[in-house]
Formats: sequence, structure tokens, C-alpha cells
Amino acid sequence: LAKTTQPISMDSYEGQEVNITCSHNNIATNDYITWYQQFPSQGPRFIIQGYKTKVTNEVASLFIPADRKSSTLSLPRVSLSDTAVYYCLVGDLDRGSTLGRLYFGRGTQLTVWP
Amino acid sequence: GAVVSQHPSRVICKSGTSVKIECRSLDFQATTMFWYRQFPKQSLMLMATSNEGSKATYEQGVEKDKFLINHASLTLSTLTVTSAHPEDSSFYICSARAQTDTQYFGPGTRLTVL
Repeated sequence: LAKTTQPISMDSYEGQEVNITCSHNNIATNDYITWYQQFPSQGPRFIIQGYKTKVTNEVASLFIPADRKSSTLSLPRVSLSDTAVYYCLVGDLDRGSTLGRLYFGRGTQLTVWP
Repeated sequence: GAVVSQHPSRVICKSGTSVKIECRSLDFQATTMFWYRQFPKQSLMLMATSNEGSKATYEQGVEKDKFLINHASLTLSTLTVTSAHPEDSSFYICSARAQTDTQYFGPGTRLTVL
């Protein structure tokens, strides 16, 4: 199972773009990359998921280089409410088995200041 | 779409009693559900993988006789903490795997054992 490495914490100011990079050097061919956001005493909230290149949705963008050994979550124009822990995870695409298990690392505590 | 609910959201019980937590996927069918535990200031720890109609697969170090998991239907999985003790006090979170392979998490259940 691919292990991920992220910065423990990051600080930003309101209105700025925030980029959180995650390393996953041992990512396997079937692994996809998923980012979650978690507020205290809540379950993680799905942000974005991708396999390669770039994925964009209404809240974030995910950049994945060709070697897929890292990925970058980009949050445009953050606000105070974006203060949370962000987790990067890799998981298997094999839907037919239990290999879709996700193992959470420590995540990145993002603090947005006014 | 992709909403997962948990019940109860908070439970307080006496030591030695059993507590059942329900996890439901409200608008999609989930052949696989997962149970996690999270202690304060720590990351989520995967406890077990629950597949509809079959026995759960437990992670190393998780006592299967203490944490009983039943996945009776494509939308419901239950976790029963048997003979709960104060050290079982934690935040229990479930997730359900959608057809898109994405895991969607429930809001969590805060268990306090007195």
C-alpha cells in the first residue's frame, strides 16, 4: 500500500491560493489519489479524486505529474472556513475486492488567517 | 448525492454495556463499507472492511469479537462495541464506497464510556 507524505501544517491568508503537495513514491498502477477535508468532530468530506494529469471541480484542482509520485491539491482563494485538516490518500481501483481500503496519514492542518 | 448517515451521533454508556452504531448510505448502494476510529488529535485508523453478505475483514490489532460488524444490506452496516470500556471511548466514523470507487464518510459517532 502506497504511503503518503504531506506537510504537517500550512498557514495562509484569506483570498490566497493554497497548494498542498503530497508525495506517494510507491503508488501502484491501479491506485487513484483522493483528497479529503476534515473539520473537528466531523467525518472527512470528499474534495477531489484523480488518476493522472489535472482534475478540476467547483472547489479545487488536483495536479498529478506524469510519474504520479506526487500530487498537489490547489484551493483557490481560501476563506476562514477552509481551516481544516486535509488528507491525501491513495487507493486501489479494484472495486471487486477489499483492496479499496484507505489508510490515513497525519494530514495537513491548514490554518487560514484574516 | 452520496450521503452517508450515522446513528447515533453521540452516545454515553456505562462500562460493560454494548453499543450499536448504524451506518447508512442514503442515496446509493454500497457493497463495501468501512469503519474507522479516531482519537483526539490523531488521524483516522481503519478498523475493518465490511462487505454486504459476508464476514468483515478486520485490520491487524482490532479484536473482531469486541467490534462486531454486520453488513445486512447494500445500504446498512452496523458496528457493535461489546462490553465497552473507557478506553473504547473514541470517535467512530464509517464510510461507504460508491460505484465511482470514491469513499463517502458519515458524520461520525462520539462514544463515551463511563
